Amino acid sequence: SQTIHQWPATLVQPVGSPLSLECTVEGTSNPNLYWYRQAAGRGLQLLFYSVGIGQISSEVPQNLSASRPQDRQFILSSKKLLLSDSGFYLCAWSVVRRYNEQFFGPGTRLTVL
Amino acid sequence: KNQVEQSPQSLIILEGKNCTLQCNYTVSPFSNLRWYKQDTGRGPVSLTIMTFSENTKSNGRYTATLDADTKQSSLHITASQLSDSASYICVVSAARLTHASGGSYIPTFGRGTSLIVHP
Repeated sequence: SQTIHQWPATLVQPVGSPLSLECTVEGTSNPNLYWYRQAAGRGLQLLFYSVGIGQISSEVPQNLSASRPQDRQFILSSKKLLLSDSGFYLCAWSVVRRYNEQFFGPGTRLTVL
Repeated sequence: KNQVEQSPQSLIILEGKNCTLQCNYTVSPFSNLRWYKQDTGRGPVSLTIMTFSENTKSNGRYTATLDADTKQSSLHITASQLSDSASYICVVSAARLTHASGGSYIPTFGRGTSLIVHP
């Protein structure tokens, strides 16, 4: 069976500090990978998606970047965090042959102070 | 522009009652529609997925319907329980895969309906 891991579960960082959130998927190969952000009381906002190693598409301009160094590893980064980067970050995976149905990780709660 | 609109934004019901959540979409060409349940502080979990040829799908006390002609879907919850309190998100995906802007397998998310079940 497939599983998706995210860490850390919660994170409190000062403004201007760097960020690295990691997501890994097990039990599948060549997945599509996604990073979403969910602000309090808001819907999911797609930040990045990747259809393969080294292939990253950005949906919105922002202070964040993403990388996919391995097939089942997706990393969300920032060089300098802003207060507006606070939120709930979700990683998800999908495969086209299953209607691209997305499966979400447990999420990371980021608070920037 | 692909859009998914959900209503109501929030809903409060008593335990044991039924309720229906609505989803209207303009995603084209249509591939599939999914309903997710998201508990507070957790990732969304898929409840149902329906393709063009399906007009109803059940998962326990959850029943989703799809009218592809009117581009509407509903999620009906029967005999609600306290554990049903969550956000319910409608997600619609387009049928064509492309990496150019304007069409892709990237799903379009609704903003969700927040359901609170009171004892």
